[in-house]
Amino acid sequence: KAGVTQTPRYLIKTRGQQVTLSCSPISGHRSVSWYQQTPGQGLQFLFEYFSETQRNKGNFPGRFSGRQFSNSRSEMNVSTLELGDSALYLCASSLAGAGDTYEQYFGPGTRLTVT
Amino acid sequence: SQQGEEDPQALSIQEGENATMNCSYKTSINNLQWYRQNSGRGLVHLILIRSNEREKHSGRLRVTLDTSKKSSSLLITASRAADTASYFCATVLNSGYSTLTFGKGTMLLVSP
Repeated sequence: KAGVTQTPRYLIKTRGQQVTLSCSPISGHRSVSWYQQTPGQGLQFLFEYFSETQRNKGNFPGRFSGRQFSNSRSEMNVSTLELGDSALYLCASSLAGAGDTYEQYFGPGTRLTVT
Repeated sequence: SQQGEEDPQALSIQEGENATMNCSYKTSINNLQWYRQNSGRGLVHLILIRSNEREKHSGRLRVTLDTSKKSSSLLITASRAADTASYFCATVLNSGYSTLTFGKGTMLLVSP
């Protein structure tokens, strides 16, 4: 089975711009989660989607949004970029449904640099 | 916010030695997971231990969980240079959800 893929792998944007990151989960996985990793704050949960519905959301401003498509692929969007948004954005997929939790499989991440 | 706190922040050992990393957390959990990350890349799942389990093994890995102390430990036996990475514990609060709350991680350096 192919692993979780994320595109693009690297991105450089300017303050005030917006960006869209894409994630394709492992085939059969319906849960997709997004995490932000920075040296200062570590790994922080952004949101989780399950069957096209946002099931959980972390403590991030409304500039961060996401969606999931019927094929479980997910995108996250950051509008009005700030310097502090520079980070490694990680996507993870899981078999998780209702009633149990499973390990998450992470993609290689998208390294976003905001200048 | 960080749920788990790993200790130590960094650990340097020789090949063949054992490495022990500890994790403490603050609230009741459904399960605790350990992940490895090589140099700013994606995370790799190592092991999952549920709140009603006390110990699990996977190859050279041994994880313990003490829910009364809200702590877990990861032991890597007979370390290899390829084990050099950052190790994170992550807690899941509610069954049926995937949300991981990570600690800040332990950087492990295994020298040949």
